[in-house]
Amino acid sequence: KQEVTQIPAALSVPEGENLVLNCSFTDSAIYNLQWFRQDPGKGLTSLLLIQSSQREQTSGRLNASLDKSSGRSTLYIAASQPGDSATYLCAVPMTTDSWGKLQFGAGTQVVVTP
Amino acid sequence: DTEVTQTPKHLVMGMTNKKSLKCEQHMGHRAMYWYKQKAKKPPELMFVYSYEKLSINESVPSRFSPECPNSSLLNLHLHALQPEDSALYLCASSQETGNGYGYTFGSGTRLTVV
Repeated sequence: KQEVTQIPAALSVPEGENLVLNCSFTDSAIYNLQWFRQDPGKGLTSLLLIQSSQREQTSGRLNASLDKSSGRSTLYIAASQPGDSATYLCAVPMTTDSWGKLQFGAGTQVVVTP
Repeated sequence: DTEVTQTPKHLVMGMTNKKSLKCEQHMGHRAMYWYKQKAKKPPELMFVYSYEKLSINESVPSRFSPECPNSSLLNLHLHALQPEDSALYLCASSQETGNGYGYTFGSGTRLTVV
């Protein structure tokens, strides 16, 4: 059974610092890993999608790495801003599942203080 | 159009009411999903539709009834709900199931059962 863990559960940093969010998974039979952002009471916004054959993806200030063999992904957010305050979720679909069920981590709640 | 649109954004209903949640996408995606999210928890899969056919029902009570009238629309019909069904209901879509495509989520419907 796939277990997806996100550490830390919560993080508070001053504006301008870099953010490092971790996601680990126990079963490497994944198609890809997707990072989402969720604002309070809102839906999920996709940030980055890394296919299982890739090592990293970048979009603006965001960079995500994937090490499938060790079951880890890291999301880096450079030069954090108060607008980056949100909950960040990672999720994986299993290659053993034909129906696309996403296995989510519990999320990391980020607060960036001005 | 790269969005999943959900209506209404907020819904308050009594335990004897019948209501429906709606989800629409125009990205040509052939897989659509309903997820339920309780406060401070990750989303949990409820239903999967693939090519307009129900593929997965994750042991969801019959008071929730999904419907996929066409490839762009997904409904969730609600009847005789309980207060513990209050949650954020998220709709998502992907190009297909089981092939490692990324997911696009809607902004959700905040449901309160009184």
